[in-house]
Amino acid sequence: DAGVTQSPTHLIKTRGQQVTLRCSPISGHKSVSWYQQVLGQGPQFIFQYYEKEERGRGNFPDRFSARQFPNYSSELNVNALLLGDSALYLCASSALVRTYEQYFGPGTRLTVT
Amino acid sequence: AQRVTQPEKLLSVFKGAPVELKCNYSYSGSPELFWYVQYSRQRLQLLLRHISRESIKGFTADLNKGETSFHLKKPFAQEEDSAMYYCALSEWHFGNEKLTFGTGTRLTIIP
Repeated sequence: DAGVTQSPTHLIKTRGQQVTLRCSPISGHKSVSWYQQVLGQGPQFIFQYYEKEERGRGNFPDRFSARQFPNYSSELNVNALLLGDSALYLCASSALVRTYEQYFGPGTRLTVT
Repeated sequence: AQRVTQPEKLLSVFKGAPVELKCNYSYSGSPELFWYVQYSRQRLQLLLRHISRESIKGFTADLNKGETSFHLKKPFAQEEDSAMYYCALSEWHFGNEKLTFGTGTRLTIIP
């Protein structure tokens, strides 16, 4: 198993554009969580999905949305990009809804210009 | 609101010396706490969680509810311990979870 995979690796967007980030969990894992990590900060929780339902939401504006597909992969969408959205976006998967042990992906580096 | 504080951004320790990475939290309920580690060019990974009370790679962490702390300790530092360490707190309400990370401490072991 390759572990949690994320695509793309890097992305450059312009202010006002929209972006979609993708995540594939470890096989058998039904929970996917998304985090934003700004340089010099710890990961900040955005969403958790379990069995295709939203099970947790952090303090992010409605420009951020996500969904989980029947195969448990997930997409994170960000609309109307701002310069402040530039960050590393991490995806993590876990077997259970409680994230006692999360497995993180390598992240997608988003740069907004 | 829950909060996790790691007061040291950087910590340098000589090889063989004891290590203590500090973590304090603010949470009104019963906390679930974790330590995550990120080695150079590797992914963030779970180091240990307080609920299992286990020792991983020689590290231990004890939850002190009175002091609201969850400090990470190791009696004898090794060079391979150099990494970024994050303390995290899990809040669970009615089937929904929120995980809060601290800002991290970069630990450097001096040979």
